[in-house]
Amino acid sequence: DTAVSQTPKYLVTQMGNDKSIKCEQNLGHDTMYWYKQDSKKFLKIMFSYNNKELIINETVPNRFSPKSPDKAHLNLHINSLELGDSAVYFCASSLGLLTDTQYFGPGTRLTVL
Amino acid sequence: AQSVAQPEDQVNVAEGNPLTVKCTYSVSGNPYLFWYVQYPNRGLQFLLKYITGDNLVKGSYGFEAEFNKSQTSFHLKKPSALVSDSALYFCAVRDIDNNYGQNFVFGPGTRLSVLP
Repeated sequence: DTAVSQTPKYLVTQMGNDKSIKCEQNLGHDTMYWYKQDSKKFLKIMFSYNNKELIINETVPNRFSPKSPDKAHLNLHINSLELGDSAVYFCASSLGLLTDTQYFGPGTRLTVL
Repeated sequence: AQSVAQPEDQVNVAEGNPLTVKCTYSVSGNPYLFWYVQYPNRGLQFLLKYITGDNLVKGSYGFEAEFNKSQTSFHLKKPSALVSDSALYFCAVRDIDNNYGQNFVFGPGTRLSVLP
């Protein structure tokens, strides 16, 4: 069984469109995250939710809006897509916050044309 | 704010030789330190972590890392490299004494190539 899954795996879209990426974990974890990995492989945290509550909100354009309908899901909605949004987006989860290992999904490669 | 440096973009090593991937960190308080590995077109996988206790931490696939507080380092090591170890390695730190230490800061990554 896949521990952390993301859909879609690939997303190609035009500038200005709105798109969503879904993430689900079946590990029973309380905390979920969204990361962005750019073309140089730099990895940066965007958001973190703990028990459906937003606890980390890094400096991310407000075009990005996370939504956590329940503890097992954390979706990422992006409005008015820009070329610079092209990246690989990773979802991750952990049992708790500080010391716990994060489990990553396979990533969603977003290409904005 | 915490930060992580991985001074080498690329490390090349012959199969069977020992490998070291370097990591230094900066935090205002005490660190939690992690190593993750990323294989091509895959998500990151946990290797090992230092939280407290013994400075030498053993992890998955024969990897280990030594926490050195005086040198603020957490280098990843393996006694005998395998071709299958070739991947991108990330060091990460969390400042446990910082109220905003929920953040998880990753280093820029080091690409390890193990040559047959």
